[in-house]
Amino acid sequence: KNQVEQSPQSLIILEGKNCTLQCNYTVSPFSNLRWYKQDTGRGPVSLTIMTFSENTKSNGRYTATLDADTKQSSLHITASQLSDSASYICVVSAPLSGNQFYFGTGTSLTVIP
Amino acid sequence: EPEVTQTPSHQVTQMGQEVILRCVPISNHLYFYWYRQILGQKVEFLVSFYNNEISEKSEIFDDQFSVERPDGSNFTLKIRSTKLEDSAMYFCASSGQGVLAKNIQYFGAGTRLSVL
Repeated sequence: KNQVEQSPQSLIILEGKNCTLQCNYTVSPFSNLRWYKQDTGRGPVSLTIMTFSENTKSNGRYTATLDADTKQSSLHITASQLSDSASYICVVSAPLSGNQFYFGTGTSLTVIP
Repeated sequence: EPEVTQTPSHQVTQMGQEVILRCVPISNHLYFYWYRQILGQKVEFLVSFYNNEISEKSEIFDDQFSVERPDGSNFTLKIRSTKLEDSAMYFCASSGQGVLAKNIQYFGAGTRLSVL
């Protein structure tokens, strides 16, 4: 069964600190993996997208890594800001599933002053 | 920056009533999607639409649901007879043409549907 699991479920960090969010998936075959940021009551916003041949992708203070062999990805946030408080969602797509995308349950990040 | 717009932002309806959720995708995009997110749960894929037809749908997208692109700009999701469990946030998304652009989905702000 195609699944996407994220950990931790929630995380609280101090402003300025770094953090790493994890994503494990069983989707196979694999096409690409996306990380989204979702503010409360808003739609998800794309942060990074990686194909199976990419190991890392950065977008400002966000750096995503991908290990297609172990089916794991991480999102590292550097020098966190209060505005980083949001839910971070890992999404995996499989080419044989047409346009279907598999969403993780998300990690709720709270950055406190 | 172009964006996906959804209306209304909040829809309240009685159980058994029909609702239509509206979306205006980004103008040059060709792929359109509907997702839902029940409060406190993960986002779930409902349906994808390309070239005026459904290209993929999930188990959730049963006969009560339908999608339509009535003109060149709007993309709608209709629920024929709403149930209490249809209460959720419904997100519309669109993506462009090409291998890379197709995989970058832009989401609307969502419509919160409350079925009473």
